[in-house]
Amino acid sequence: EAQVTQNPRYLITVTGKKLTVTCSQNMNHEYMSWYRQDPGLGLRQIYYSMNVEVTDKGDVPEGYKVSRKEKRNFPLILESPSPNQTSLYFCASRPAGGGLNQPQHFGDGTRLSIL
Amino acid sequence: GNSVTQMEGPVTLSEEAFLTINCTYTATGYPSLFWYVQYPGEGLQLLLKATKADDKGSNKGFEATYRKETTSFHLEKGSVQVSDSAVYFCALSDTGGSYIPTFGRGTSLIVHP
Repeated sequence: EAQVTQNPRYLITVTGKKLTVTCSQNMNHEYMSWYRQDPGLGLRQIYYSMNVEVTDKGDVPEGYKVSRKEKRNFPLILESPSPNQTSLYFCASRPAGGGLNQPQHFGDGTRLSIL
Repeated sequence: GNSVTQMEGPVTLSEEAFLTINCTYTATGYPSLFWYVQYPGEGLQLLLKATKADDKGSNKGFEATYRKETTSFHLEKGSVQVSDSAVYFCALSDTGGSYIPTFGRGTSLIVHP
């Protein structure tokens, strides 16, 4: 089954404790991205990657890091989480073929609470 | 820059009522337009899309027509069901060069039996 898998689905942690949210897709997609969803603000892109070793900032990259060492994986790293990063996070992927006309495939989300 | 504006929710309807969720956009290039749906506890799923002016996207009884003259992509359904209760996002991808797709803020739909 084609899917984007995020882990963990839920995490409660404390300020300053480094955490990683993993994202893996099994569709051989080139393009992957991370979003955060906040009430009243919709989805905002954090980082995206066009292919292995190619990453770039989205609209709200501050406080986050990403890496793309393999095509299927795109982890989101919070080196020193803060309470304002409490949010619902989504990973998404799409193929490069067809360009921007291709829709994105989303994971089921990771709810992070930073105390 | 690009932007997508959706009507604020929640939209509350009775089963079998007609649904319209308004979406307007601004874009610098020639965007493709999408509607995504998010059911409770899940990620977003593509509902329908249109890639050029006057195209109509349709799926599961939902329709939206790409109107370049009014820069709109309103979502409609003739008879909603309780199972349509979800959050709906209008989005665009701009072929003018940006790799950052733009999403609206989402509109919550609640359908009562």
